[in-house]
Parts: sequence; structure tokens; C-alpha cells
Amino acid sequence: DQQVKQNSPSLSVQEGRISILNCDYTNSMFDYFLWYKKYPAEGPTFLISISSIKDKNEDGRFTVFLNKSAKHLSLHIVPSQPGDSAVYFCAASDNAGKSTFGDGTTLTVKP
Amino acid sequence: SQTIHQWPATLVQPVGSPLSLECTVEGTSNPNLYWYRQAAGRGLQLLFYSVGIGQISSEVPQNLSASRPQDRQFILSSKKLLLSDSGFYLCAWSVHTGGVETQYFGPGTRLLVL
Repeated sequence: DQQVKQNSPSLSVQEGRISILNCDYTNSMFDYFLWYKKYPAEGPTFLISISSIKDKNEDGRFTVFLNKSAKHLSLHIVPSQPGDSAVYFCAASDNAGKSTFGDGTTLTVKP
Repeated sequence: SQTIHQWPATLVQPVGSPLSLECTVEGTSNPNLYWYRQAAGRGLQLLFYSVGIGQISSEVPQNLSASRPQDRQFILSSKKLLLSDSGFYLCAWSVHTGGVETQYFGPGTRLLVL
């Protein structure tokens, strides 16, 4: 059973618009959530995270929202830029610090 | 600062041949180390993780193995490669801050088994 799910394998948005990437989890023991960004032929890089005691964390154009009751988090990118085109992985960490990754969503930002 | 190295960057191997991928981390001590595989069009699959020298945990049964001969060295091996072993292999190390683990990935090795 996959504990972290990114149900949209791909997303395409116009430059300047908002990109919303979604992630659902099933394990209520997860208490920290992270987003990683990955370009082709490169390793993922850490982007932004949120603790389960918060419902929002913002860093520049990137905002992560957490809805614990729905076991859902989302990453908002505003405004989207062509350089944001990449695969975005959602990850959830339990109290032992072990991370579980989703399958990723490929974001394409069109100029 | 910490850096993570992986080599080779790309590798083409025949079916049945052995494999050895190496990963080293600099600038930190006693890191948690991980091997992931990303098959074409798929997400990250955790293969092995290690919390210390000689301590290896396997997440998925397969014909791959891992070893950690030194604190900052992690090796992924196979005695006989299968076609299904093709993929993008990523090594990562992690740091725990405030009870949360953030992983830092290497540049990856692209393996093509023919």
C-alpha cells in the first residue's frame, strides 16, 4: 500500500499562472512533509517543508499547505516560470525520521 | 559544506554482467545513506539505507546488494545484471534537524542494461 500518493503524474500551466501540485498520505504518524524538485538526469533537491503543527509555510514563490484532517498537502508556485518545469516529489517523514516519497508530478510551465 | 559524489555518471552493461556503483559523502560524519532507483517514468524507489558502517537495510528484494565499508562510502552492487535493472540510481545522505530528516541527493548514475 502506497503511503504517499501524488495522483497527478503531470501538470501543465502557463507562465505567470499558479501551479498547484497535490499530495495525499495515509499514515497518520507522518509529522513532517517535504517537497523536492528534480531536473532530468540530476538528483532531487530539497525545496520546502512543513511541520504537522503548521498549516502553511511560505518561501518566496513557493507555499506549502497542509490539511491534516484530510491528510492532504499541496505545493503552490506563484507565479510559475519556465525554469520551474521539473518533476516534483512529495515526501513524508515519520517520528523516526524516515522519509517516504510519492511517485512525483511532472510540471511543465509553458512560456 | 557537505558534498555527495556518485560515479560513474552513465553506464551501459550487458545482461549478466556485474555492477558496482560508488557513492561518497564529504563534510559530514556518520550520515544516514540511501540508494534509490528511478525507473523510466516512475517515482523514487528506496533500495537500501544505512545508518552506520556495515549496517544495511534492504527495502525491496532483488538481485542488488549494498555495502558500507567506510563511514562515508556506500556501494551498490550486483553479481548479474538483469534488463529490469536499467534506471537512474541515486545516492542520498540525510541530516536530522528538530526530528525531521532532509535528504540530499547525488547527481545520479544512469544505468542501461542491454
